[in-house]
Amino acid sequence: NAGVTQTPKFQVLKTGQSMTLQCAQDMNHEYMSWYRQDPGMGLRLIHYSVGAGITDQGEVPNGYNVSRSTTEDFPLRLLSAAPSQTSVYFCASSDPTSGRTKNIQYFGAGTRLSVL
Amino acid sequence: SQKIEQNSEALNIQEGKTATLTCNYTNYSPAYLQWYRQDPGRGPVFLLLIRENEKEKRKERLKVTFDTTLKQSLFHITASQPADSATYLCALDLKGGATNKLIFGTGTLLAVQP
Repeated sequence: NAGVTQTPKFQVLKTGQSMTLQCAQDMNHEYMSWYRQDPGMGLRLIHYSVGAGITDQGEVPNGYNVSRSTTEDFPLRLLSAAPSQTSVYFCASSDPTSGRTKNIQYFGAGTRLSVL
Repeated sequence: SQKIEQNSEALNIQEGKTATLTCNYTNYSPAYLQWYRQDPGRGPVFLLLIRENEKEKRKERLKVTFDTTLKQSLFHITASQPADSATYLCALDLKGGATNKLIFGTGTLLAVQP
């Protein structure tokens, strides 16, 4: 059982380039989220999805797009990379059917992105 | 303004002692509060969850308290070990908040010296 898998683990981009960060989970969780983690800022929610075909914005959505065509996959697209998007990105999933534990997040190992 | 704060400086303790980490918040109404552990280069891992009407939860050497009057949670690790060294994050699950939207603190780095 792999849990949440993120690829790539590391990426360096030039300003203006686009790329997609991949996230897949094998726990059949309906809910998935993307966070970024910056020093002194904590984890901040970028976008989230409550099921296939349904996405919504989090706290810091600008410059990012998401889609959710299957339960398993939730890719994050950087449209035109900027140095301010240098960060560590985490994908997470949670199970909304688990009662009081429904918002417990299961995180991937992260993607470390540098934008030059 | 809304804030969630954890000890900004690293906490250094001796092996065998009890580590106590704090999580303070203002202008939030959490229904639940969660604690996570994060090791370098890894994603956070869930440890414990406590509900607003629960004063204390325990799991093995871990204990969490939640005081909604003080707007504070304390996270204790008893008989600490060097393997407990990591960053610990608290997260608020808000009342009436959209499902799957947690507010995370910045984390406290714990270093347990042998």
